[in-house]
Amino acid sequence: AQTVTQSQPEMSVQEAETVTLSCTYDTSENNYYLFWYKQPPSRQMILVIRQEAYKQQNATENRFSVNFQKAAKSFSLKISDSQLGDTAMYFCAFPGGSNYKLTFGKGTLLTVNP
Amino acid sequence: NAGVTQTPKFRVLKTGQSMTLLCAQDMNHEYMYWYRQDPGMGLRLIHYSVGEGTTAKGEVPDGYNVSRLKKQNFLLGLESAAPSQTSVYFCASSSQNQPQHFGDGTRLSIL
Repeated sequence: AQTVTQSQPEMSVQEAETVTLSCTYDTSENNYYLFWYKQPPSRQMILVIRQEAYKQQNATENRFSVNFQKAAKSFSLKISDSQLGDTAMYFCAFPGGSNYKLTFGKGTLLTVNP
Repeated sequence: NAGVTQTPKFRVLKTGQSMTLLCAQDMNHEYMYWYRQDPGMGLRLIHYSVGEGTTAKGEVPDGYNVSRLKKQNFLLGLESAAPSQTSVYFCASSSQNQPQHFGDGTRLSIL
């Protein structure tokens, strides 16, 4: 069974600074995807970034980037130049198996302070 | 393009009542999912469907039933609501190897 662990229940960062959220997972599969989703107070689930396991290059989307360590099964999210609008719950998610069911971590509540 | 639409957005039920949550997607996605979100638990998969007419159990299926009679719709039913089913419910859909798109959620309270 797949498991996803986010070891930081809460984090805070000052506006304009950089923060890294950690995620580890366990799987026996070789080819897979990993996702980070953001859930702001509006409760919407918004895709932040996606990483394909077969790609060695870390994914980047504007201020968001990942540090993907396949051997260590680690998938951390780095947010640069943090903005107040980044305040949200962040979930790491792993779609396991042929049915693409997502297994979610329990989330990290990030607060960006002015 | 509406994406994934969930109805209703809020509902209060009494213990023992039944209800159906509706999820509709207009992206022609094969896969659809129902999750529940509880504080400190993240999202947990209730049931899912890999195509019209097919459904399967997820991580926490007890007390729920689902149907996928049409490709664009995925219904979640509670036959006899219990206070433990108080939660926020999310529907999602996806195509193969693509991220899931989520609805805005349904907040359900069981008294």
